[in-house]
Amino acid sequence: KAGVTQTPRYLIKTRGQQVTLSCSPISGHRSVSWYQQTPGQGLQFLFEYFSETQRNKGNFPGRFSGRQFSNSRSEMNVSTLELGDSALYLCASSRTGSGAGELFFGEGSRLTVL
Amino acid sequence: DQQVKQNSPSLSVQEGRISILNCDYTNSMFDYFLWYKKYPAEGPTFLISISSIKDKNEDGRFTVFLNKSAKHLSLHIVPSQPGDSAVYFCAASPLPNYGGATNKLIFGTGTLLAVQP
Repeated sequence: KAGVTQTPRYLIKTRGQQVTLSCSPISGHRSVSWYQQTPGQGLQFLFEYFSETQRNKGNFPGRFSGRQFSNSRSEMNVSTLELGDSALYLCASSRTGSGAGELFFGEGSRLTVL
Repeated sequence: DQQVKQNSPSLSVQEGRISILNCDYTNSMFDYFLWYKKYPAEGPTFLISISSIKDKNEDGRFTVFLNKSAKHLSLHIVPSQPGDSAVYFCAASPLPNYGGATNKLIFGTGTLLAVQP
């Protein structure tokens, strides 16, 4: 059974550019969440999607957005990149949407903003 | 506002001894707690969880203890093995704010465990 797949794995952008990250959940999983990991900050919740609907959004500026498609694949977009957006972006999927369920994480997309 | 805190950024133990990783939280409405392990260049993987209605859950070498009155949980690994060397994240599941369900987790900042052979 394939795990959560994130693309691209690594990318370098410059300030002011935008970036789109992609996440393919485990087959049959309808819930997709995104997290940002930076040194010393742990994993910060970005947003959560279930059946194409955003159910929760973390405390991030509007430059961060996301969506989920009918096949449960998800994308997140960051516009007008800032140096502080450099981080590992992790996607996680879950079979259920009922909470307290085990999240399965991808390997992440490491974004460097110069 | 860090609702889930792991105050020890690192911990070093000898192989075969017990590893104890600690986690404190501030929100008494958290109803589920989980531990994740993360190796470099990999995503976090689920380790063990505990519901707020329990005070202990055990899975092989891993045991999680929950002290609700102290808002504290701990992960015990015994015996520790070199392969356990990783970053351990404590996470809590908040009650959804709209009465529905959520898979949102609030993570601590992690503790780097080094198990020395």
